[in-house]
Amino acid sequence: GNSVTQMEGPVTLSEEAFLTINCTYTATGYPSLFWYVQYPGEGLQLLLKATKADDKGSNKGFEATYRKETTSFHLEKGSVQVSDSAVYFCALNNNDYKLSFGAGTTVTVRA
Amino acid sequence: SQTIHQWPATLVQPVGSPLSLECTVEGTSNPNLYWYRQAAGRGLQLLFYSVGIGQISSEVPQNLSASRPQDRQFILSSKKLLLSDSGFYLCAWSEGTVNQPQHFGDGTRLSIL
Repeated sequence: GNSVTQMEGPVTLSEEAFLTINCTYTATGYPSLFWYVQYPGEGLQLLLKATKADDKGSNKGFEATYRKETTSFHLEKGSVQVSDSAVYFCALNNNDYKLSFGAGTTVTVRA
Repeated sequence: SQTIHQWPATLVQPVGSPLSLECTVEGTSNPNLYWYRQAAGRGLQLLFYSVGIGQISSEVPQNLSASRPQDRQFILSSKKLLLSDSGFYLCAWSEGTVNQPQHFGDGTRLSIL
C-alpha cells in the first residue's frame, strides 16, 4: 500500500535559519506529492505540489523536489520567519481519490 | 474561484446528544468531498469520502455517519455523541478525478462534555 514517513518533530529554529523537513514515501508507480501547512487553529492549506519525477514545487519561499530514485520529497526553506511556525504535512496521491498523509511535523520559529 | 465553507467553527455538546456538521463548496461542480478528524496533537484520520450525490465511503467504522444530499453539500452526523468523538473535524474537496490535491475548510472544534 501507499505510505508517507516524515521526520518526527518538534523542530525548533531561530529566525532566518535554514529549514529541512524530510519526507519519504512508499508507493508503486508515480504518485503525485504534496506539502500542506496547518497554522494553529486552522485547516490545512496546500503549500506546494509535484506530479512527476524531478518536478520542483515552490511557494512562499518553500521548495521540494520529487526524487523518484530516493522516493523522497523533502521540504526546504532558506530563511524561516516566526510566521512559518506551523505543522507541516507531506502527502501523496497514487491514482486514487484519497490522500495518504504523513504524521505531521511541528515547526516553531523563535524570534 | 472555489471556496469551501464549514460550520460551526466551535461546538460544545453533552455526551449522548446528536451532531450535525455541515460543509458546502462553491465554484465547482461534482467535487469529491471528504471528512477528516484530527485528535489533539495528532495527524489526520479520513472518516468518509464521497465521489457523487448519495455515494458515501466509510473508512473507519464508528459512531458517525455522513450524507451528501446535494452535489456540493456534505454533512457529518451522529445520533449519540461519545466522549471519544471530541476533536477537530475538517471538510475537504478535490476535483472529481484522481491525483488531485484536496482543499480544506477551516475546521470545527468539537468538545464533548
